[in-house]
Amino acid sequence: GAVVSQHPSWVICKSGTSVKIECRSLDFQATTMFWYRQFPKQSLMLMATSNEGSKATYEQGVEKDKFLINHASLTLSTLTVTSAHPEDSSFYICSARSGAAPLHFGNGTRLTVT
Amino acid sequence: QKEVEQNSGPLSVPEGAIASLNCTYSDRGSQSFFWYRQYSGKSPELIMFIYSNGDKEDGRFTAQLNKASQYVSLLIRDSQPSDSATYLCAVYNAGNNRKLIWGLGTSLAVNP
Repeated sequence: GAVVSQHPSWVICKSGTSVKIECRSLDFQATTMFWYRQFPKQSLMLMATSNEGSKATYEQGVEKDKFLINHASLTLSTLTVTSAHPEDSSFYICSARSGAAPLHFGNGTRLTVT
Repeated sequence: QKEVEQNSGPLSVPEGAIASLNCTYSDRGSQSFFWYRQYSGKSPELIMFIYSNGDKEDGRFTAQLNKASQYVSLLIRDSQPSDSATYLCAVYNAGNNRKLIWGLGTSLAVNP
């Protein structure tokens, strides 16, 4: 149980374009979803916390107009990287939880912006 | 500022030995404690979670929690080369906007 599906697993896009990443909880209702970013050999960096039906809460330094998060249902959250630049290239990982249960992660999306 | 601290390592142990990973936290109100394993280039995977003081065992893994001393540890018995990964400690306090507070992780290398 507690499977989180993230899609796509990798994407290459051109500078200036937008990329959407989907995160789905397959067998539970995710009251809270989290989006993380991880650069090579660095720790997880929380970008935003998303509760179903409400606006995401962004961490300090994360541009909410650049990283659009939508949590439209209890099983789906999306992250859209708008006007991507090479410095946005990173490993993006979503995670989901129901209540205070343990957090489960998707397999991550490796984004490369050329 | 709420913090979770781990020794970055690398911790190197021979195959078959016990690996001991430690984590301390600053928020005395923390309620839940988690250990995740992350292989290079992959997302974290939940290994253990513990809520109460004492030990919790699951196969080769044992989590130990001491709230008075504010530390949580993970023991891996009969370590295997496949256990080589970064182990992340995470701490949860429901009053902290539902966020987990993460340690930076300890790199474990199990040598054949």
